[in-house]
Amino acid sequence: DGGITQSPKYLFRKEGQNVTLSCEQNLNHDAMYWYRQDPGQGLRLIYYSQIVNDFQKGDIAEGYSVSREKKESFPLTVTSAQKNPTAFYLCASSIDAGGNYEQYFGPGTRLTVT
Amino acid sequence: QQQVKQSPQSLIVQKGGISIINCAYENTAFDYFPWYQQFPGKGPALLIAIRPDVSEKKEGRFTISFNKSAKQFSLHIMDSQPGDSATYFCAASEYGNKLVFGAGTILRVKS
Repeated sequence: DGGITQSPKYLFRKEGQNVTLSCEQNLNHDAMYWYRQDPGQGLRLIYYSQIVNDFQKGDIAEGYSVSREKKESFPLTVTSAQKNPTAFYLCASSIDAGGNYEQYFGPGTRLTVT
Repeated sequence: QQQVKQSPQSLIVQKGGISIINCAYENTAFDYFPWYQQFPGKGPALLIAIRPDVSEKKEGRFTISFNKSAKQFSLHIMDSQPGDSATYFCAASEYGNKLVFGAGTILRVKS
């Protein structure tokens, strides 16, 4: 099965703790993205990566960090500096980020921080 | 910041009716306009997309209408079915740049 996997589906953390969300794709896509989804606000881009070992900030990068050490993996760390981390996080990939290509989304991770 | 404004926020349609969701944009350099469909607890999936060289694109019961001069585009779902109940997002991008998403429309089709 080709696609994007995100784990875990649900994640609970205490305030002040860093947490890492996993995203893996076997589509051989160059570009990968992280979005945050909140009710009534659509999808907001956190970070994206066009190639291994390179990534750029999106619109709401503060309090988040990423790495892209392998083509198929793009983990997102939600740090304690993120003021309102509770949200639904979506990972996506596309053939490349340089053109208008379809983005394929994973099933998402719902993070709850208390 | 580039924006795409989507309306309505929510929509209730009777089975067999037409669902219409509208989006407006400001950036005239946008040249790709996809619509994504998202079911509860799932990631969005591409439904249909259009480029500005055509005014309409139809795929089954789903049609995108595009009005370049008004900077608006809309999704029409004909013969709406309960299985169409989902959240729909419009989006836009300029070649080589990131997708910008609308806020989403929650569609409920009553049987």
